[in-house]
Amino acid sequence: EDQVTQSPEALRLQEGESSSLNCSYTVSGLRGLFWYRQDPGKGPEFLFTLYSAGEEKEKERLKATLTKKESFLHITAPKPEDSATYLCAVQVFTGGSYIPTFGRGTSLIVHP
Amino acid sequence: GAVVSQHPSWVICKSGTSVKIECRSLDFQATTMFWYRQFPKQSLMLMATSNEGSKATYEQGVEKDKFLINHASLTLSTLTVTSAHPEDSSFYICSARDLTVHRGENIQYFGAGTRLSVL
Repeated sequence: EDQVTQSPEALRLQEGESSSLNCSYTVSGLRGLFWYRQDPGKGPEFLFTLYSAGEEKEKERLKATLTKKESFLHITAPKPEDSATYLCAVQVFTGGSYIPTFGRGTSLIVHP
Repeated sequence: GAVVSQHPSWVICKSGTSVKIECRSLDFQATTMFWYRQFPKQSLMLMATSNEGSKATYEQGVEKDKFLINHASLTLSTLTVTSAHPEDSSFYICSARDLTVHRGENIQYFGAGTRLSVL
């Protein structure tokens, strides 16, 4: 059975304290790994798509990397406004469709 | 990025009534839309995949007669919760897949969600 596991479940950082979030997956036929940010009471906001091992993407203080088994979301010098839940999703092609599976997310709190 | 509009954002209804939630892709066409349900501090649970012009594909354990999905156009999908009961109270989120194909990208863009409270 395909699985997506995110760790840690929750993370508290001081402003400026860099860290990484992990998304490990066991799927057959990966067709993309996605990172989203979700604020309380809102829908997920798209951040990155990664498709092949070794690929990296950056956006402001965020950098996403991908290996054959996991992805990391690195947060450099975070600010309080980076506080949110970060969701990882893997996509496989099955039954003629691209089907996504989401992890449970990492809740990040950045203290000023 | 692409914009997905979901309406209403919050609805309160009496037990036994039906509630319709709309999901629109505003600046792109989406042959596929997804409907999710999210419980507090939980991840998104895929309920069904909605394809324009055809019947929705429901995930195991999701009652198709209770959660009616219609995807009548490339920009609109609706979810109707029929005969709602308190246990149907939840946060429902839709997403639409941008047809843009670049290295096989199939990015999902999400609506803001609908908070349903059934009394």
